[in-house]
Amino acid sequence: NAGVTQTPKFQVLKTGQSMTLQCAQDMNHEYMSWYRQDPGMGLRLIHYSVGAGITDQGEVPNGYNVSRSTTEDFPLRLLSAAPSQTSVYFCASSPQTDFNQPQHFGDGTRLSIL
Amino acid sequence: TQLLEQSPQFLSIQEGENLTVYCNSSSVFSSLQWYRQEPGEGPVLLVTVVTGGEVKKLKRLTFQFGDARKDSSLHITAAQPGDTGLYLCAGEGGSYIPTFGRGTSLIVHP
Repeated sequence: NAGVTQTPKFQVLKTGQSMTLQCAQDMNHEYMSWYRQDPGMGLRLIHYSVGAGITDQGEVPNGYNVSRSTTEDFPLRLLSAAPSQTSVYFCASSPQTDFNQPQHFGDGTRLSIL
Repeated sequence: TQLLEQSPQFLSIQEGENLTVYCNSSSVFSSLQWYRQEPGEGPVLLVTVVTGGEVKKLKRLTFQFGDARKDSSLHITAAQPGDTGLYLCAGEGGSYIPTFGRGTSLIVHP
């Protein structure tokens, strides 16, 4: 059982480039989310989805787009990379939109913008 | 935005010592979770506390939710090197957008 799989694990981009961070889960979870983790800042929610076809903004959505065409996949797109987006990105999923359900996190994508 | 303040930010101790990590807020949370994150990995849920005054134990780890549901603590007894990691608390205020604290980085030396 793979759980939450994030690809790539590492990426270096130049300012202005675009890319998509992939996230897939095989647990049939309805709720999926993207966080960024910066030193001393904890985890900040970027976007989330409560089911296929439904997405919403989190705390820090600017510069990022998401889509949820299937239950399994929740890609995060950087439209025009900026150095401020250098961070570690985590995708998470949980069975339903209930905070008491545990969120399952992937191992992260480490992204550097030059 | 509901804020969660974690303290201390860093903790470096010897194997066998006891420690307590705090998670405080001026806001009331309906529930609160504690996660542990090891280097190069995502956070893993340790416990969820829901009721004010609740105490939960997970082997050498004891979690407490404050009576007013504004704060929580994590106590580790006889710390071991395997306890090393980043400890994060996360609160839910009713909107299902969880708020994470900045974390406490714990190093336990053999």
